[in-house]
Amino acid sequence: AQRVTQPEKLLSVFKGAPVELKCNYSYSGSPELFWYVQYSRQRLQLLLRHISRESIKGFTADLNKGETSFHLKKPFAQEEDSAMYYCALGNTGKLIFGQGTTLQVKP
Amino acid sequence: ETGVTQSPTHLIKTRGQQVTLRCSSQSGHNTVSWYQQALGQGPQFIFQYYREEENGRGNFPPRFSGLQFPNYSSELNVNALELDDSALYLCASQRLAGSTDTQYFGPGTRLTVL
Repeated sequence: AQRVTQPEKLLSVFKGAPVELKCNYSYSGSPELFWYVQYSRQRLQLLLRHISRESIKGFTADLNKGETSFHLKKPFAQEEDSAMYYCALGNTGKLIFGQGTTLQVKP
Repeated sequence: ETGVTQSPTHLIKTRGQQVTLRCSSQSGHNTVSWYQQALGQGPQFIFQYYREEENGRGNFPPRFSGLQFPNYSSELNVNALELDDSALYLCASQRLAGSTDTQYFGPGTRLTVL
């Protein structure tokens, strides 16, 4: 079955600390993976996708097919990074989301 | 460029009633997907419409149905409402059907079933 797992409901770090939001997936074939973010009182929006391999707002994510993971990383967290983060798997036009991780960056 | 809009913002219904939620896609987008997001959960795919035809469906019963209009706006209809239908309903549009294209989400409609 296709599934996305985000093991942490809440991740709390201090400003300037490194951040790693974990995402594991199960999918047979070549996965399309995304990270979506929802800031307070804003709509869900795309943060980055593995195909483009770009860095957005200092975040990167590497697809590791051996470990079936797509962890989101940032070397130095900022307070404005506080938000809900969802990992998603693309499959024939639909997105399969994980349960989400709330990132709390403390001053 | 106008983003995805949804109406109404909030809705309260009682069990057994029927509800219609509306979504206007972003300009230039011909594909609309609907998701249900229960409290504390990630969004769950309901179905997708492409050029007025259903183009994929998730694990939802037939009482969840939809429409897409020639201007690519869309409706989600839910019949015989159940308490578990209480959730945030999200609409997302994209330029082309297929998951490689970015989906742009609306603000959602919060449905409460009493």
